[in-house]
Amino acid sequence: KAGVTQTPRYLIKTRGQQVTLSCSPISGHRSVSWYQQTPGQGLQFLFEYFSETQRNKGNFPGRFSGRQFSNSRSEMNVSTLELGDSALYLCASSLGGTSSAGELFFGEGSRLTVL
Amino acid sequence: GENVEQHPSTLSVQEGDSAVIKCTYSDSASNYFPWYKQELGKGPQLIIDIRSNVGEKKDQRIAVTLNKTAKHFSLHITETQPEDSAVYFCAASLSGGGADGLTFGKGTHLIIQP
Repeated sequence: KAGVTQTPRYLIKTRGQQVTLSCSPISGHRSVSWYQQTPGQGLQFLFEYFSETQRNKGNFPGRFSGRQFSNSRSEMNVSTLELGDSALYLCASSLGGTSSAGELFFGEGSRLTVL
Repeated sequence: GENVEQHPSTLSVQEGDSAVIKCTYSDSASNYFPWYKQELGKGPQLIIDIRSNVGEKKDQRIAVTLNKTAKHFSLHITETQPEDSAVYFCAASLSGGGADGLTFGKGTHLIIQP
């Protein structure tokens, strides 16, 4: 079956703009998590959604937000972009249901460059 | 919060030799420890995981050991092959990594020399 699909794969924005990234989870998966990957900070947890509700969030400013739709697809938004927001943004899906969610399946990521 | 340290940052081994990557974690409440492999241009892929009620787990050439008392866990790859070249990440979580999120180590670049 199809894996986790993220769009767009690459994008370039300028400081101050906002960006929306999309994630389609594996069919049947109801939990979607977002991670930021940078060379300096590595992989960092942004937030997790299950049944359209944010269950947990990492230590990121309020400029980072997300949502999940009834079909489990998710979007994340970053407003007022800063140079330091340049990163690979990874979406991961899992069956969810309880906090013991089992294996996370990652997409290939959306690479954001902020100029 | 949880903090995961991973060593070494780069590991070069001869094809056919074994490779060992080590991680330590800080939160004694963590119970789930997965290992991910990331190839260039791709997302991380789970290769093996272990929960705190198990001390060791093996899957063909890959094994993971966990010492909860010392709060460290290790990945062992035997009979390394060229396709094992990648960046490997360890992680820790309270339970399953979904709602709790995963705290990752900084990664180990494994290079298999022919």
